[in-house]
Amino acid sequence: AQSVTQLDSHVSVSEGTPVLLRCNYSSSYSPSLFWYVQHPNKGLQLLLKYTSAATLVKGINGFEAEFKKSETSFHLTKPSAHMSDAAEYFCVVTPARGDSSYKLIFGSGTRLLVRP
Amino acid sequence: DAGVIQSPRHEVTEMGQEVTLRCKPISGHDYLFWYRQTMMRGLELLIYFNNNVPIDDSGMPEDRFSAKMPNASFSTLKIQPSEPRDSAVYFCASSLVSGSEAFFGQGTRLTVV
Repeated sequence: AQSVTQLDSHVSVSEGTPVLLRCNYSSSYSPSLFWYVQHPNKGLQLLLKYTSAATLVKGINGFEAEFKKSETSFHLTKPSAHMSDAAEYFCVVTPARGDSSYKLIFGSGTRLLVRP
Repeated sequence: DAGVIQSPRHEVTEMGQEVTLRCKPISGHDYLFWYRQTMMRGLELLIYFNNNVPIDDSGMPEDRFSAKMPNASFSTLKIQPSEPRDSAVYFCASSLVSGSEAFFGQGTRLTVV
């Protein structure tokens, strides 16, 4: 079985300070992991993905995430927040390619607020 | 490619009416997903298809909901009869292979009054 837990429903940071959005997962299979971003009244956009290659993954807009198997975590970070980063972020887990039970399981989301 | 295309973008209907949501996946993608997003329940997977065949419909709320994929380039989600609690944003997404990322459409905002 798979599940994903986003540990914070809301995160508030000041512009220019680091961002940390936390995600823990549970998977019976070797997972693929993703982070998506959703701006208000918009669809979901892929930020980055981990698919069993490098454990440190770089994405768009300066975001990156590190896959830590020992901690079953896939936290999203950015060195310096920008006002345009204010949005909702979703951590997603699925079995890696080849598994018949392919389902994208979404976390509950973390709303990022960026203060001027 | 234009991405995943959903129509309509907005739908307002009266309770009891039939509603049909449409989705055109990215060409060549083997998987198609239907999700529902609400404030209370977040993003819920309703059903997904592989090569036009429904694989898992355990998320479909009840018999009022049905989904079809008559060919690789088109899918529908139908609600009949609609109820106010069906009000939500419905997203369609497609992906190339098992384990890969999904690409989402812009969603259909459904309001049932």
